[in-house]
Amino acid sequence: GAVVSQHPSWVICKSGTSVKIECRSLDFQATTMFWYRQFPKQSLMLMATSNEGSKATYEQGVEKDKFLINHASLTLSTLTVTSAHPEDSSFYICSAREVWDSRNEQFFGPGTRLTVL
Amino acid sequence: LAKTTQPISMDSYEGQEVNITCSHNNIATNDYITWYQQFPSQGPRFIIQGYKTKVKNEVASLFIPADRKSSTLSLPRVSLSDTAVYYCLVGGQAGTALIFGKGTTLSVSS
Repeated sequence: GAVVSQHPSWVICKSGTSVKIECRSLDFQATTMFWYRQFPKQSLMLMATSNEGSKATYEQGVEKDKFLINHASLTLSTLTVTSAHPEDSSFYICSAREVWDSRNEQFFGPGTRLTVL
Repeated sequence: LAKTTQPISMDSYEGQEVNITCSHNNIATNDYITWYQQFPSQGPRFIIQGYKTKVKNEVASLFIPADRKSSTLSLPRVSLSDTAVYYCLVGGQAGTALIFGKGTTLSVSS
């Protein structure tokens, strides 16, 4: 149980285009989903927290107009990288918490490798 | 800022027991301690979680002293496939994200 999927697993796009990454909780409902970014040889950096039906909360330094997050249902959150540039190339990982979560247990997706040419 | 401090790297040989200690001096009363494992180009994988004393599962043990200011992940008889980055995280409040520190890169050799 508690499986989180991401789609696509990798994507290559041209500079200036937009890319959408999906994060789904397959066997549970997630009130809260989180988006992280990870550069090579570095740790995961929290980008934003999204709650179903409300606006996402972005971490300091993350441009909300560039990284659009939508959490329209209890099983799906999307991250859209708008007008992507090479410096946006990174490994994007989402995680989710169950609706009835008594401990701080997050389930992570497999990640999406974004390469911007 | 990450709430934890771990060694940057550790080396071991196959078959040995590996203990990774994490410091979390400012742990809050309602914080749990969770350890994740991450392989390159994969999402973090849950290893074990605890609140106090000792927790054990099929892959690891977690030792937490009474003051909870540190914790030790114990991996029995590691193999080459245990080469990965191990993250210690603390957190507890509903709806809050886990904040990752630098993690410990464990290298297991034959």
